[in-house]
Amino acid sequence: NAGVTQTPKFQVLKTGQSMTLQCAQDMNHEYMSWYRQDPGMGLRLIHYSVGAGITDQGEVPNGYNVSRSTTEDFPLRLLSAAPSQTSVYFCASSQPGRRVSGANVLTFGAGSRLTVL
Amino acid sequence: GNSVTQMEGPVTLSEEAFLTINCTYTATGYPSLFWYVQYPGEGLQLLLKATKADDKGSNKGFEATYRKETTSFHLEKGSVQVSDSAVYFCALPRSGTYKYIFGTGTRLKVLA
Repeated sequence: NAGVTQTPKFQVLKTGQSMTLQCAQDMNHEYMSWYRQDPGMGLRLIHYSVGAGITDQGEVPNGYNVSRSTTEDFPLRLLSAAPSQTSVYFCASSQPGRRVSGANVLTFGAGSRLTVL
Repeated sequence: GNSVTQMEGPVTLSEEAFLTINCTYTATGYPSLFWYVQYPGEGLQLLLKATKADDKGSNKGFEATYRKETTSFHLEKGSVQVSDSAVYFCALPRSGTYKYIFGTGTRLKVLA
């Protein structure tokens, strides 16, 4: 099925470790983004990309790094994990535009639950 | 800039009860408005959307009307089911960008 695939689903890290959350979409969407979901805070945008080679910061970018070398993939890197990064992470993509059917509707991955000890 | 304020939860209802989840927004221009739903253990998925003032979005028995005069996009369902138990998010795009603003989410629990 077409969609957004995130791996891993669960991960436990120790403080200071690094890791990469993977995100891949097969819908040829230009826009991809990473959110974190924390209780009582809704979804907060970490980083986003409007196309291959183009990335920008969202609301809470500190401690995270991204790259977009292909249209399909948008990995999120935690450089040195901290307990404050314990959260559920969602990757989402969309096709911007006004005249395209389904444009601007975000398609989400199933999420990656990260615990930092 | 654009913003969205969503009704606090949790909301607990009996099956077949009427549901309203309030959402108000501030926005430059008339952006599209969205409701997303998150079922337990899953990512968010689009529930319904409206692209212009007075539009009514509908899906799975849920409805929401884009009201310019009250800057609201309240979610309603006439008769909820246990399977509607989920977290509901109101959302709109930030002005002039592809980025989205989400409400804090409203958890709905429907009891049999």
